[in-house]
Amino acid sequence: GDSVTQMEGPVTLSEEAFLTINCTYTATGYPSLFWYVQYPGEGLQLLLKATKADDKGSNKGFEATYRKETTSFHLEKGSVQVSDSAVYFCALAGGSYIPTFGRGTSLIVHP
Amino acid sequence: EPEVTQTPSHQVTQMGQEVILRCVPISNHLYFYWYRQILGQKVEFLVSFYNNEISEKSEIFDDQFSVERPDGSNFTLKIRSTKLEDSAMYFCASSLLAEWENEQFFGPGTRLTVL
Repeated sequence: GDSVTQMEGPVTLSEEAFLTINCTYTATGYPSLFWYVQYPGEGLQLLLKATKADDKGSNKGFEATYRKETTSFHLEKGSVQVSDSAVYFCALAGGSYIPTFGRGTSLIVHP
Repeated sequence: EPEVTQTPSHQVTQMGQEVILRCVPISNHLYFYWYRQILGQKVEFLVSFYNNEISEKSEIFDDQFSVERPDGSNFTLKIRSTKLEDSAMYFCASSLLAEWENEQFFGPGTRLTVL
């Protein structure tokens, strides 16, 4: 079945550092790929998405490129802020509207 | 901005007891979902609900679970006889349409602890 694997956290960075959170997936067909973010005390929010190979999703300075050849959708940001501290979830959705999520990666950004 | 709300934020119960987790979806949304996340594990789909009936459910959603939309605003998840392994964060979500391209909006979750 479909699955998503994310790097283990927590990821701890200093403000203005470069962020990469790895995500790889296994799926039949051509799924859509997503990153969700959960800030403390809040629900999951859609951060960005990509619906076909080589698409780049971007939002709030975050980017991720749908790489079919490596079945990856790594999340990157050039310069993180303290306010980016949250849990980030990679997810995919294939033919069904029900998404498959990863475990989430906690990001802690220090001033 | 409209949001999904969930109550309570934390529920502690004894094994074997019934619990009801409550959610208020976004008012014009038509599709409703429950997910759970056991600590350190993946977010798992439990059930989706549309037009007052279950449209899809996972193998986790066995006879101990039920969902209901008792009025025009609430969406509830009932666990009939809780087990230790039901301890998890439970997320409610809603969407206007069923297709995944139509974003699901999540609530902040209810942490259920079964002792």
